[in-house]
Amino acid sequence: DIQMTQSPSSLSASVGDRVTITCRASQGISNYLNWYQQKPGRAPRLLIYTASSLQGGVPSRFSGSGHGTDFTLTISSLQPEDFAIYYCQQSYSTPSITFGQGTRLEIK
Amino acid sequence: QLQLQESGPGLVKPSETLSLTCSVSGGSIGRSTYYWGWIRQSPGKGLEWIGDVYYSGNTYYNPSLNSRATISVDTSKNQFSLRLRSVTAADTAVYHCARHRYQLVPFIDFWGQGILVTVSS
Repeated sequence: DIQMTQSPSSLSASVGDRVTITCRASQGISNYLNWYQQKPGRAPRLLIYTASSLQGGVPSRFSGSGHGTDFTLTISSLQPEDFAIYYCQQSYSTPSITFGQGTRLEIK
Repeated sequence: QLQLQESGPGLVKPSETLSLTCSVSGGSIGRSTYYWGWIRQSPGKGLEWIGDVYYSGNTYYNPSLNSRATISVDTSKNQFSLRLRSVTAADTAVYHCARHRYQLVPFIDFWGQGILVTVSS
């Protein structure tokens, strides 16, 4: 299995801050990396696919980058509705996909 | 807008079989280019892919489940189902059904809200 490791596990930030979350794959996955946002009691929501493509309807303050083993999700200016848990997911070995353990983004 | 909704018992006894159904509305499973699958979420294991089914009945499963999972599809009802045999407390989780795109740009773009299944006597 391809292991996905996110850092940090949790993060406190304020509205308006710029935030970056990192995801590392245990082997090279090209750009087959997706990011999801999950709020309590809700299903995960696809934010970014193939490392840097924004899913329809997702605000442009979200962006992704990376290739190979190292990837980042950046929120340029945090909004109140952005406080949630974020997961990366590799799709390189589809159908056998794996997820990172999640990064909890909390209000400072 | 596509919607997925899980249904089934919230409590299952150890060693028995967990059975869940996902009802799809706002789109058709049949003749779709997507796979339809199950992903579970628990504090201990995070998000774990269980398996997928195509409208034709073709399936893929996570090997870590040791062949305990079976996913089937009923295109006439626009539903697909999960059976997980010989459950233990480690199978306690929120189970999500989802639409899984395989081709070109693989991702999961629609998820059900999830159903909590507890394994306990």
